[in-house]
Formats: sequence, structure tokens, C-alpha cells
Amino acid sequence: GQSLEQPSEVTAVEGAIVQINCTYQTSGFYGLSWYQQHDGGAPTFLSYNGLDGLEETGRFSSFLSRSDSYGYLLLQELQMKDSASYFCARADSNYQLIWGAGTKLIIKP
Amino acid sequence: KAGVTQTPRYLIKTRGQQVTLSCSPISGHRSVSWYQQTPGQGLQFLFEYFSETQRNKGNFPGRFSGRQFSNSRSEMNVSTLELGDSALYLCASSLPNPSYNEQFFGPGTRLTVL
Repeated sequence: GQSLEQPSEVTAVEGAIVQINCTYQTSGFYGLSWYQQHDGGAPTFLSYNGLDGLEETGRFSSFLSRSDSYGYLLLQELQMKDSASYFCARADSNYQLIWGAGTKLIIKP
Repeated sequence: KAGVTQTPRYLIKTRGQQVTLSCSPISGHRSVSWYQQTPGQGLQFLFEYFSETQRNKGNFPGRFSGRQFSNSRSEMNVSTLELGDSALYLCASSLPNPSYNEQFFGPGTRLTVL
């Protein structure tokens, strides 16, 4: 199987920290990417984890544990502009990205 | 550097018709992927082209086809349109290797089938 599971919706407060989890099936797994998509916009790349561990880019971090088939995106110091959908996507050996259904992040003031 | 462009941005067709969508990748990017996105859904992979060859194909019927030209521009075609084909069609370009690390998306073509 190739599916990815992520929560459909997460709500958080401005200034807080939120974690969006993603579990995946391991067949042919190469790495895990995260993308952000604002309503009406195109997805934009946030991060990629090819190895276990934490990748940090400013307020955003992404984590991967291959042994647990699990990753997460961590957003710190949430801002209203972070309200968007976040997708995890797994890369497989065929250069193909398989996408999760997305997590809608709702930020309240 | 110009981003990925897609034309047209919006399209309205009726059932049974066919449609052709176009995508121009970022200069130097030779890999182009196409996706279908419906409300509340993730991106469903259609196909990927690299150097004018289809390298991967998703789980879509044969009504969906594509091609890539020598300048890396790509087109996708949907024949015999069905109501369920109404969606946002996104194309993404990337460097050839590894293409899965970072894809750059165009604004999409929103197709409505009546």
C-alpha cells in the first residue's frame, strides 16, 4: 500500500505551537515531504526528510522516524497567515509523490 | 526566474467534450508532473514526464493522457469529459534528479464540466 494518514483538521491559537502528524505505509519509501497550500493557491514546498531526525527551517520543523513510519510537521509561533492546508507526501522509488489528503489548520486569535 | 505557468486558468466544458491543458515549467526543469485536486482531497497523481517520456502514470483511465515537448513544456488531454472530471488540475516542475524533493507548482487550471 501507499496511503498516508494525516488529521483532516487541526485548530490552534495564534502564537502557539502545533504539530501535524503523518503516518505512511513503507513499501518503496524514500522520503517524506511537506507542502503548504492556501485556499485558492498552489501547493508550496516546505521541507523534505530523507533521513530520520529533525529538519528545521525558521518557524517550521519536520521530523521523520522510519522505524515508526511516522513523521510530523511542527509550526511554532503561529501566525494568522499560517492558516492553510498542509500535505505530507511520500516519495517512492519511481520518482513519484503520493499525497495525503491534507490537514486544514485553523488558527484562532 | 519565471515560475510554472499554466493555461488556461479557468475552463468550462460540457460532458463528452475534450480538453487540452498546457504547462510551461521553470526554465531548466525537465520533469513535469500533473495532478488532479478535488475539494477536500489531496493531490491525485496523473502522470510525470521527463525528457519527453512518460516516466510514471497514476491510476486514471485512458481518457487522461499527456505529452511533453522538447522544450519541456507539457500538455495534458482529457477526452470524453465526465462530470467527475471537474477539478483543479495542477502541474509541477522539478529538477530531474531527485524529482521528489521539491516540486514547484503552477497556479492550476480549474476545469468545470457541466
